[in-house]
Amino acid sequence: DAGITQSPRHKVTETGTPVTLRCHQTENHRYMYWYRQDPGHGLRLIHYSYGVKDTDKGEVSDGYSVSRSKTEDFLLTLESATSSQTSVYFCAISEPGQGIPEAFFGQGTRLTVV
Amino acid sequence: SQQGEEDPQALSIQEGENATMNCSYKTSINNLQWYRQNSGRGLVHLILIRSNEREKHSGRLRVTLDTSKKSSSLLITASRAADTASYFCATDAAYGNNRLAFGKGNQVVVIP
Repeated sequence: DAGITQSPRHKVTETGTPVTLRCHQTENHRYMYWYRQDPGHGLRLIHYSYGVKDTDKGEVSDGYSVSRSKTEDFLLTLESATSSQTSVYFCAISEPGQGIPEAFFGQGTRLTVV
Repeated sequence: SQQGEEDPQALSIQEGENATMNCSYKTSINNLQWYRQNSGRGLVHLILIRSNEREKHSGRLRVTLDTSKKSSSLLITASRAADTASYFCATDAAYGNNRLAFGKGNQVVVIP
């Protein structure tokens, strides 16, 4: 497996609290992505990064922010969690510029907002 | 935004049979990829086909791409119980931002 880990793996939080999910990679890939997976919706892109401090929005970015201060870490923050953000969150990495367009995924973080 | 859309959504077959899934997309692409997800796990890359390719094989997997119809199919031959999983297609749009857009997935159950 590609060296990509997500933490925490499971989290239960209360509505209105901030939450930060971490994605850590050891592959030195330039691109990192955050997706959420919900029944009936497949995977939807939240935010992605194409380099340190370079990020952009995906299709479901409202209520989320990200930061990438170093190559290996990509943080996803829910500023004020809502029940609609209950989901499974996946981080992925890729390096299309080096001929590695396929994405490698972490094991996911199951977030429950109560 | 561009998204792959698989058809059918759920498939139940006997071990040894072939499984076919389809995917359609909306805009020009650089490549199309197929992924597998076992229950509760992350997605695993299976195969990639570039926009200038029409067919590709990898073991028991066969992928076709028809750019004129903006569609792809994934065939798994001689299925095994271990092939039970969800399968997703993902497209990398041709406008060059390397964002992978995923479809909703196909649930495949292979009955031993």
